[in-house]
Amino acid sequence: GAVVSQHPSRVICKSGTSVKIECRSLDFQATTMFWYRQFPKQSLMLMATSNEGSKATYEQGVEKDKFLINHASLTLSTLTVTSAHPEDSSFYICSATPGQVPTDTQYFGPGTRLTVL
Amino acid sequence: GQQLNQSPQSMFIQEGEDVSMNCTSSSIFNTWLWYKQDPGEGPVLLIALYKAGELTSNGRLTAQFGITRKDSFLNISASIPSDVGIYFCAGPGSGTASKLTFGTGTRLQVTL
Repeated sequence: GAVVSQHPSRVICKSGTSVKIECRSLDFQATTMFWYRQFPKQSLMLMATSNEGSKATYEQGVEKDKFLINHASLTLSTLTVTSAHPEDSSFYICSATPGQVPTDTQYFGPGTRLTVL
Repeated sequence: GQQLNQSPQSMFIQEGEDVSMNCTSSSIFNTWLWYKQDPGEGPVLLIALYKAGELTSNGRLTAQFGITRKDSFLNISASIPSDVGIYFCAGPGSGTASKLTFGTGTRLQVTL
């Protein structure tokens, strides 16, 4: 149980285009989903927290107009990188919390590798 | 903000050896989590610790929640090749449930 999927697993795009990444909780309802970014050989950095039906909360230094997050249902959150640039190339990982377990238990997706040319 | 520093940064060990790594914080944590990340994958939860002094095992893995609440240790006994990966400690931020701060990571390489 507690499986989280991401799609696509990797994407290559041209500079200036927008890319959408989906995060789904497959066998549970996620009251909260999180988006992280991980640069090579670095740790995971939290970008934003999203709750179903409400606006996402962004961490300091993360541009909310560039990284659009939509959490339309209890099983789906999307991250759209708008007007992507090479410096946005990174590994994007989502996680989800079921809510009925200790609130600090997060289940992570397999990640999406974004390469912006 | 809160910082979690892990040591060692990386380690190369031989198959069968025991491994020990730790995580220290600049502030008190009420929960410590240990994750493993394989290359190109998301982190997988290994062990969760909820009480100061707690010692918890998961197979060959053992983790302890430090008495001061500012550190935690992870030990792996009799390492095998599939133990290769990056090990992260993590803990929830103060005041807000669920938001996690991740440590700097320990990269483990196992040689035959």
